[in-house]
Amino acid sequence: SAVISQKPSRDICQRGTSLTIQCQVDSQVTMMFWYRQQPGQSLTLIATANQGSEATYESGFVIDKFPISRPNLTFSTLTVSNMSPEDSSIYLCSAETLTTEAFFGQGTRLTVV
Amino acid sequence: AQSVTQPDIHITVSEGASLELRCNYSYGATPYLFWYVQSPGQGLQLLLKYFSGDTLVQGIKGFEAEFKRSQSSFNLRKPSVHWSDAAEYFCAVGPPRRGGADGLTFGKGTHLIIQP
Repeated sequence: SAVISQKPSRDICQRGTSLTIQCQVDSQVTMMFWYRQQPGQSLTLIATANQGSEATYESGFVIDKFPISRPNLTFSTLTVSNMSPEDSSIYLCSAETLTTEAFFGQGTRLTVV
Repeated sequence: AQSVTQPDIHITVSEGASLELRCNYSYGATPYLFWYVQSPGQGLQLLLKYFSGDTLVQGIKGFEAEFKRSQSSFNLRKPSVHWSDAAEYFCAVGPPRRGGADGLTFGKGTHLIIQP
């Protein structure tokens, strides 16, 4: 399966600021997704990153808070905007092709202080 | 709406003993079913998956899972656990057509503790 690299692996940010997380896949993929894993919780899908068009957001997540880009078949970014302590989570990038299961990056551990 | 239930939040097993982690799902059709493992500070690693065919599937690290349609279950098993199996285990479901614009729905996870 392909390998996903996420940057940064962790960060501590001040409330009110924004952080952009990068997700790079080492081969072309069909779909890319962003998940949030709050402390001690399971993974929740934030949005599907669509190449060349606006991301598709799940209920409870909005573009103004979590803008997403996907300029090509191997790269996507997630921005966490105007952060508050409640945004402290692990953010994971995931990718799939038509013939493979979802594989995941190592995640970005975000702490907002 | 789809949902995944992992009824056991924590399970403690002695090293060398057998293991079964439970997973029940709710879905409109037979979904794609997955088990992932997450070690501390790590991302998710796929253990095994099921979509069709033999209802007993083999995965990595000696794990297997059995799909039971009548019970809407996909329980994970291992005959003899090792201390390195201590981790968080997630069951997940996805639509049967992969590569579409639908992510996965995860259960809340089961934390596996291995006793020496």
